[in-house]
Amino acid sequence: SAVISQKPSRDICQRGTSLTIQCQVDSQVTMMFWYRQQPGQSLTLIATANQGSEATYESGFVIDKFPISRPNLTFSTLTVSNMSPEDSSIYLCSVATVDSYEQYFGPGTRLTVT
Amino acid sequence: GENVEQHPSTLSVQEGDSAVIKCTYSDSASNYFPWYKQELGKRPQLIIDIRSNVGEKKDQRIAVTLNKTAKHFSLHITETQPEDSAVYFCAASIDPVGNEKLTFGTGTRLTIIP
Repeated sequence: SAVISQKPSRDICQRGTSLTIQCQVDSQVTMMFWYRQQPGQSLTLIATANQGSEATYESGFVIDKFPISRPNLTFSTLTVSNMSPEDSSIYLCSVATVDSYEQYFGPGTRLTVT
Repeated sequence: GENVEQHPSTLSVQEGDSAVIKCTYSDSASNYFPWYKQELGKRPQLIIDIRSNVGEKKDQRIAVTLNKTAKHFSLHITETQPEDSAVYFCAASIDPVGNEKLTFGTGTRLTIIP
């Protein structure tokens, strides 16, 4: 499986600021996704990061709050904008290839908003 | 959209006994069903998956069964060991070509009692 890294691994941010999370894969992948996992909860899909076009957002998530970029087949960023304490969560990227159903997760970014 | 229910939310099993976790899904078009194991502070790890053209799949002490008619699938862990203690998530995917979006269940916290 691909080696997936995320930066930063954790951060503490002030409300009203923004944080950009990076996801890097060591090989080209077709699909990249961004999930949020609140403490003790399941994984919720934020959006699918599409290479060369706008991300596809799930219900309840909007581009102004969670802008996503995917400039190539190995890299994506998720920005959490105008943060509030409710944004405190773990944010994970995941990757998959179109010829395999299998989806693998990055190590996650633990965000705390004060 | 797809909805995945998972039971039980917590499960305690004596070491050496078997554990069973069950999930149901709502969309009959779903055709891919992975299971993830998440240890405390770690990323979700894919442990086994099954596709809709298969009724059962086994990998050492872990097996997954699928009943498409009833729209439910189960994870079976035999001869449980302390290292099996973790949170387990089931997921389902409706897979239009090129999109492997996963919908996750709510998770089962499995505790193996030595």
